[in-house]
Amino acid sequence: EVQLLESGGGLVQPGGSLRLSCAASGFTFSSSSMTWVRQAPGKGLEWISEIVDSGATYYADSVKGRFTISRDNSKNTLYLQMDSLRAEDTAVYYCIKGGWGDYWGQGTLVTVSS
Amino acid sequence: DIQMTQSPSAMSASVGDRVTITCRASQGISNYLAWFQQKPGKVPKRLIYASSSLESGVPSRFSGSGSGTEFTLTISSLQPEDFATYYCLQHNSYPRTFGQGTKVQIK
Repeated sequence: EVQLLESGGGLVQPGGSLRLSCAASGFTFSSSSMTWVRQAPGKGLEWISEIVDSGATYYADSVKGRFTISRDNSKNTLYLQMDSLRAEDTAVYYCIKGGWGDYWGQGTLVTVSS
Repeated sequence: DIQMTQSPSAMSASVGDRVTITCRASQGISNYLAWFQQKPGKVPKRLIYASSSLESGVPSRFSGSGSGTEFTLTISSLQPEDFATYYCLQHNSYPRTFGQGTKVQIK
């Protein structure tokens, strides 16, 4: 059974940093693309980043230069390093297996506020 | 970047109604489109992939069609558990993009 467990969310001040983690199990993590999608309160879904099996990375313009996606295949873990956080980054962040949303984690809430 | 324009943004329908939601891509995306359903407070669930392939376990009243720039999600006979928000996602090119969502409410 595929399981994705996000952690690392919380309250952070504007300009601060946070690192999200996603522990994966139930599939061959190293062979899978992995994606982060977020949803601001009361808003729609926003694709923000993907890392493919080769390690190539892709970002939405809204986070490019501030967020870094990475993976540790030895730990079956996906990461999202978020720097220079802004109020508009407040959202639930979902970890997703694959590039087109077949399995989703439960999400972790990030709140950027002073 | 490819823009996905979803319509309508909201609609009211009755149980038993046929419902159609449309996503238009700003450029051709072949059949690289998925549809998701999200209920309040819940994680989105994929219904359709590759434009028209039904996810395992999803009721057959859901169907998807389209290729290129125009896509539709159809619910043939709306059921009480189908009241939710629906999103399309293009995965033809980066950055991937979602439609803005369609909220299906009870009439």
